[in-house]
Amino acid sequence: QSALTQPASVSGSPGQSITISCTGTSSDVGGYNYVSWYQQHPGKAPKLMIYEVSNRPSGVPDRFSGSKSGNTASLTISGLQAEDEADYYCSSYTSSSVVFGGGTKLTVL
Amino acid sequence: QLQLQESGPGLVKPSETLSLTCTVSGGSISSSSYYWGWIRQPPGKGLEWIGSIYYSGSTYYNPSLKSRVTISVDTSKNQFSLKLSSVTAADTAVYYCARQGVSSRGAFDIWGQGTMVTVSS
Repeated sequence: QSALTQPASVSGSPGQSITISCTGTSSDVGGYNYVSWYQQHPGKAPKLMIYEVSNRPSGVPDRFSGSKSGNTASLTISGLQAEDEADYYCSSYTSSSVVFGGGTKLTVL
Repeated sequence: QLQLQESGPGLVKPSETLSLTCTVSGGSISSSSYYWGWIRQPPGKGLEWIGSIYYSGSTYYNPSLKSRVTISVDTSKNQFSLKLSSVTAADTAVYYCARQGVSSRGAFDIWGQGTMVTVSS
């Protein structure tokens, strides 16, 4: 299994919206509605932000949203805040396995 | 609330076996709603899923690590464990244990704090 493809970095100013893409194949992202997104601050464990493509766990702000089209999933953060600066990882279920993306560093300018 | 805590040696010699345990507190590992997984992160790099186990002992592993990985569960102690054999420097990483929803396959919703394991002689 190959890692899902994410951009290495994205940036945005406070209040703006950004989107992080996560590209896989028909065997993972495109084949299942089991895409998750994680936020990781330096030195901390990852935090689940989105599951099953577009569902938010309790406590995650509705500024965070997820979607999928074909083999590409996306995480959108609206109304960027300074505390959103972190690394973001996507993951997908794939035939009895789990694959992560390489991660995207979000910089809030 | 549910918490997970990894424990084990922080230093392992090359060719030896890495062994870690994850203790679950504040809830039962025998819940039918969850798998329990191991994920690792080499320094400065991304996340890699290692494998997951159900309370019944059913497992599934990352194909790239399958030949070297064994995950087991001890429901009496509310713990699950990871063994990774024949380690090399490439296995140096922070190792996390996490809870994984059965219905939301692949969604790890509660994580341990992680433990750094260095492979070096």
